[in-house]
Amino acid sequence: AQSVAQPEDQVNVAEGNPLTVKCTYSVSGNPYLFWYVQYPNRGLQFLLKYITGDNLVKGSYGFEAEFNKSQTSFHLKKPSALVSDSALYFCAVRDRGSTLGRLYFGRGTQLTVWP
Amino acid sequence: GAVVSQHPSRVICKSGTSVKIECRSLDFQATTMFWYRQFPKQSLMLMATSNEGSKATYEQGVEKDKFLINHASLTLSTLTVTSAHPEDSSFYICSARRVQGQETQYFGPGTRLLVL
Repeated sequence: AQSVAQPEDQVNVAEGNPLTVKCTYSVSGNPYLFWYVQYPNRGLQFLLKYITGDNLVKGSYGFEAEFNKSQTSFHLKKPSALVSDSALYFCAVRDRGSTLGRLYFGRGTQLTVWP
Repeated sequence: GAVVSQHPSRVICKSGTSVKIECRSLDFQATTMFWYRQFPKQSLMLMATSNEGSKATYEQGVEKDKFLINHASLTLSTLTVTSAHPEDSSFYICSARRVQGQETQYFGPGTRLLVL
């Protein structure tokens, strides 16, 4: 069975400090991994993905994530947080062998960056 | 590129009426579209997966006769909530996956449905 865990409902960080939003996954095959961000009353915006290759993936708005196969993790990071980064972040996984491409989402982590 | 639109963005209707929500991929062709429902401060719940020209695949517990999905073309899928009731009030989000084996799903902006 496929599942995604985001262990923190809420992450608070001061502007300018580094941020980490955690994600671990369980998938039967090799995964595709994604991070999406959602602003209030909006759909999800794609941030970055891991498909293959370099374990460190760089995405939009200065975010990056590191695929760690041994720890089955894909934590989202940013060296210096901005107040505008405050939003709801979702980690998602897809089984590489899935023909329909269904995504399994974590429950989301609310990131608050305070000035 | 990879823009997905939804219409309407917000709808209020009376109990018992039907509501149609459109999901369009504006600058790409989508083999597969997905419909999600999201409750406040919660994650997305997949309702169904639709492939162009074939019947949608519904998730367990989702009533296919209540939530009618039509994927008539490679750029349009519709979700019709039939005989809507207040408990159907929610945020509905669609996503689309490109043709040619692309891995990424691109999401629409969502439709807020309020049933009175």
